Amino acid sequence: QQQVKQSPQSLIVQKGGIPIINCAYENTAFDYFPWYQQFPGKGPALLIAIRPDVSEKKEGRFTISFNKSAKQFSLHIMDSQPGDSATYFCAASIIPDKLIFGTGTRLQVFP
Amino acid sequence: GAVVSQHPSRVICKSGTSVKIECRSLDFQATTMFWYRQFPKQSLMLMATSNEGSKATYEQGVEKDKFLINHASLTLSTLTVTSAHPEDSSFYICSARPGQGRYNEQFFGPGTRLTVL
Repeated sequence: QQQVKQSPQSLIVQKGGIPIINCAYENTAFDYFPWYQQFPGKGPALLIAIRPDVSEKKEGRFTISFNKSAKQFSLHIMDSQPGDSATYFCAASIIPDKLIFGTGTRLQVFP
Repeated sequence: GAVVSQHPSRVICKSGTSVKIECRSLDFQATTMFWYRQFPKQSLMLMATSNEGSKATYEQGVEKDKFLINHASLTLSTLTVTSAHPEDSSFYICSARPGQGRYNEQFFGPGTRLTVL
């Protein structure tokens, strides 16, 4: 029940495309859902996060969509760029407990 | 803001030696710090949670005598890998969570690549 399932494992899009990464959870007590971006050899960087009281949050080209009833949330990257090529991790937690991470999605954006 | 540093960024050591990794929150006070381990192309594996001034809480399967964690101040936590062996070679990442008034944001350091020969 503590797992967060992330898909797809890898994703290839062309520049300008809109990659979508999905995560699903079971524990309805989770109340914080962040997304992290990680480049090779670097630590993860917090991209955007959402609480379950809203269904969508946008920050720049990154959007989280949250479906409480389906227990799913997703990351959309608008107008993707080659510089967005990285591994993306979703996570969930019950504030203020530890984060439970998804397995990661390796995104490649080709020019 | 919310910058976390780690030192060293890379370390190579001989089997049997101990290695200390420092994690610092540079522009905020971190009531809680976390230590993760990451293998190539895998997700982050939480090793332990430490709160300033108290003993760390280790995840199941993590040897507390091998991975010593000290959280001596609100801006500094250290991880010491004792008697390191080649199987301890990995990417170690710390994160820090600010105190009250925030959600559950964790800010990660740049990581430390440990290679044990």
